Amino acid sequence: GENVEQHPSTLSVQEGDSAVIKCTYSDSASNYFPWYKQELGKRPQLIIDIRSNVGEKKDQRIAVTLNKTAKHFSLHITETQPEDSAVYFCAASGSYQLTFGKGTKLSVIP
Amino acid sequence: DTAVSQTPKYLVTQMGNDKSIKCEQNLGHDTMYWYKQDSKKFLKIMFSYNNKELIINETVPNRFSPKSPDKAHLNLHINSLELGDSAVYFCASSRTSGTNNEQFFGPGTRLTVL
Repeated sequence: GENVEQHPSTLSVQEGDSAVIKCTYSDSASNYFPWYKQELGKRPQLIIDIRSNVGEKKDQRIAVTLNKTAKHFSLHITETQPEDSAVYFCAASGSYQLTFGKGTKLSVIP
Repeated sequence: DTAVSQTPKYLVTQMGNDKSIKCEQNLGHDTMYWYKQDSKKFLKIMFSYNNKELIINETVPNRFSPKSPDKAHLNLHINSLELGDSAVYFCASSRTSGTNNEQFFGPGTRLTVL
């Protein structure tokens, strides 16, 4: 089945700096790669997703890149703000299900 | 207007008891899921139902039994609760059984087994 590796597990940045989270996946048939943000005590919520026919997607301060050949994708957050502090999960669609990475705890220091 | 709701939000119980968690979605989705999130925050799929039929059943003890009375509901019943069952359980739904659609999560049920 699909295996998703996510790095780093924790990330601290100064407010205003950029943050990058990287994921790799194993199933070359995967074609959908969402990113979820989970604030403390809350539910995971989709912040951005990308499909295999696209190499990059942006939404304001958030961008995701996908390299299908290398089987890795990344989340980029620019101009980080304290409210960006949360756990971020990448995921990849395997044959029947989404497989999640183990999460990255992002702390934005004011 | 809640999209995916779960009850109860908190559940504290003794080992050996049987408990149920209910999930409802009003998004008109035809696929629903149960996830377990442990203390390390790992999100792991347990079950997936499409149009009331089971399509994913990960390696989960058979003490866990999902039930889908209709497309809008997916309940989780747990028999003979164990300490290791303590976790947050999330219900989710998506538009189709294909995995390339956004999954909407419920607020979670924090289960504590004493």
